[in-house]
Amino acid sequence: RKEVEQDPGPFNVPEGATVAFNCTYSNSASQSFFWYRQDCRKEPKLLMSVYSSGNEDGRFTAQLNRASQYISLLIRDSKLSDSATYLCVVNMRDTGRRALTFGSGTRLQVQP
Amino acid sequence: NAGVMQNPRHLVRRRGQEARLRCSPMKGHSHVYWYRQLPEEGLKFMVYLQKENIIDESGMPKERFSAEFPKEGPSILRIQQVVRGDSAAYFCASSPPGQGSYGYTFGSGTRLTVV
Repeated sequence: RKEVEQDPGPFNVPEGATVAFNCTYSNSASQSFFWYRQDCRKEPKLLMSVYSSGNEDGRFTAQLNRASQYISLLIRDSKLSDSATYLCVVNMRDTGRRALTFGSGTRLQVQP
Repeated sequence: NAGVMQNPRHLVRRRGQEARLRCSPMKGHSHVYWYRQLPEEGLKFMVYLQKENIIDESGMPKERFSAEFPKEGPSILRIQQVVRGDSAAYFCASSPPGQGSYGYTFGSGTRLTVV
């Protein structure tokens, strides 16, 4: 089983749509959670951190369910510029690894 | 304040040659991480270094790959006797002390092509 699992997509949605991505992680003691965005052949960029209480940044809402080991990202009112690959990222410090563990990404294509 | 600088951006090597990838962290960042991204795959952790120390190399292949972060100068990821399967994007990230995963900044990557 992969440490961080995501549906690869692609998700093809029209402009203005609401889209949700999900992610599961295998290590119940994981400590930190993030969503990153990666545009084609470029470096990943932090979109937002994810907290147990849930957090919102403009059109983006992230949720964490520790009991189910599940992370979600909701994008409202999709824009063409939201087209990218969204990476679910977990810090599994208890494994002794101090670096981030990345999911393979979910590709989003917003269409006019 | 320059970001994380990686060079070269593109590197072409013939099978059997050596590849050297360089990463200069952001000013004030003392932690460096190397990741590899194969085509159509996610980023895979390779190695985590602090100045003059390898902290975690659990993701590094046992042979042909090595990394260093000297007291002066950039971090270097070295791949000896490259093979076609080494073709990938190699990303470096840095973070300041004490911020751990919350302070990550990635460089633009080096795209290695082995012919």
